[in-house]
Amino acid sequence: SAVISQKPSRDICQRGTSLTIQCQVDSQVTMMFWYRQQPGQSLTLIATANQGSEATYESGFVIDKFPISRPNLTFSTLTVSNMSPEDSSIYLCSVADRGEETQYFGPGTRLLVL
Amino acid sequence: SQKIEQNSEALNIQEGKTATLTCNYTNYSPAYLQWYRQDPGRGPVFLLLIRENEKEKRKERLKVTFDTTLKQSLFHITASQPADSATYLCALGTGYALNFGKGTSLLVTP
Repeated sequence: SAVISQKPSRDICQRGTSLTIQCQVDSQVTMMFWYRQQPGQSLTLIATANQGSEATYESGFVIDKFPISRPNLTFSTLTVSNMSPEDSSIYLCSVADRGEETQYFGPGTRLLVL
Repeated sequence: SQKIEQNSEALNIQEGKTATLTCNYTNYSPAYLQWYRQDPGRGPVFLLLIRENEKEKRKERLKVTFDTTLKQSLFHITASQPADSATYLCALGTGYALNFGKGTSLLVTP
């Protein structure tokens, strides 16, 4: 299985600012996903990061708020823009290879917005 | 709308017993169902996948059943150990997208 790292592991930010979260995988993977896990809630898919094309966003999430980059098959970033306290959450990236439904998750980034 | 329900109350059991966790869903026809384990401060870890045409899957001390008529999956951990204490998430999927339940917290006491 792939080994996934995320940076930063945690951060405290002021409202109105933006934070970029990095996701690095130790092998080339086809699919990369970004999730949000709010306290007491289930993991919610934000978007699927596609290499060489625009990310595919789920209902309720927009590119202006959560721009995503996927420059190659081992790396992706998620930016949380113009943050408010409601954005306080754990953000997780996961990966899967084409033809496989199993996803492997990074350790998550804990974000607190004041 | 699609709904996935897992017991919100924590499940406390004694070491050596079998833990049974439930995942119910409505308004959904998943092609497969997965179970993940999540420890505090960590990302979910994949445990088992079962497809819509399968009734049961086993892996070591773990067993999953999938009843598409009842729209329910049961996740069993036999001979449970304190190290099994964690939150267990079920996830339903069609294609690559996964929809997760909120998870059930399991505490195994010595």
